[in-house]
Amino acid sequence: DIQMTQSPSSLSASVGDRVTITCRASQDIRNDLGWYQQKPGKAPKCLMNTASRLRGGVPSRFSGSGSGTEFTLTISSLQPEDFATYYCLQYNTYPRTFGQGTKVETK
Amino acid sequence: EVHLVESGGGLVQPGGSLTLSCAASGFIFSTYWMTWVRQAPGKGLEWVANIKQDASEKNYVDSVKGRFTVSRDNANNSLYLQMNSLRVGDTAMYYCVSGWDFPYWGQGTLVTVSS
Repeated sequence: DIQMTQSPSSLSASVGDRVTITCRASQDIRNDLGWYQQKPGKAPKCLMNTASRLRGGVPSRFSGSGSGTEFTLTISSLQPEDFATYYCLQYNTYPRTFGQGTKVETK
Repeated sequence: EVHLVESGGGLVQPGGSLTLSCAASGFIFSTYWMTWVRQAPGKGLEWVANIKQDASEKNYVDSVKGRFTVSRDNANNSLYLQMNSLRVGDTAMYYCVSGWDFPYWGQGTLVTVSS
């Protein structure tokens, strides 16, 4: 199975901060990676697919990059509604596997 | 607008069975891969199973192989997960997800396996 390792597992940040979350795959997944945001008690929401393609309606402060085994999710200027847990997911190989999540908390 | 509504969750004893349903609307159901993802309380996300548009291919995570069966009814825009021999470790919120790259998620249905 492909292991998806996210870092950090949690971070504390303030509104306006630039936030970067990294996801590392244990083998090459090309760009078959998505990023998902989950708020407490809610279903995950897809932010982007193919590592960097933003879903419709997702603010442009979110961006993604990477291919192969190293991927990054960046929030350019953190907003109050961005405090949540973020997951990466590889859909290149079965079984599909998620990162363990990164909780973005208020400093 | 894509809408996915799960149902069928509840409390079941270990060794019991349960069938989850997902009613889909707002997209051409028969043209999409469909997936089940679960999340144990306070834990991360785990892919469970998926099914191809015409049901000719089904894939499962190892921990549910032989116990869970995914199926679909394209005429009624519905996805199902038949769960047998349930274990305490299967306790989770189960989400119905549409699309190859998981763009749309339902709100989930809670399955609790406990004696």
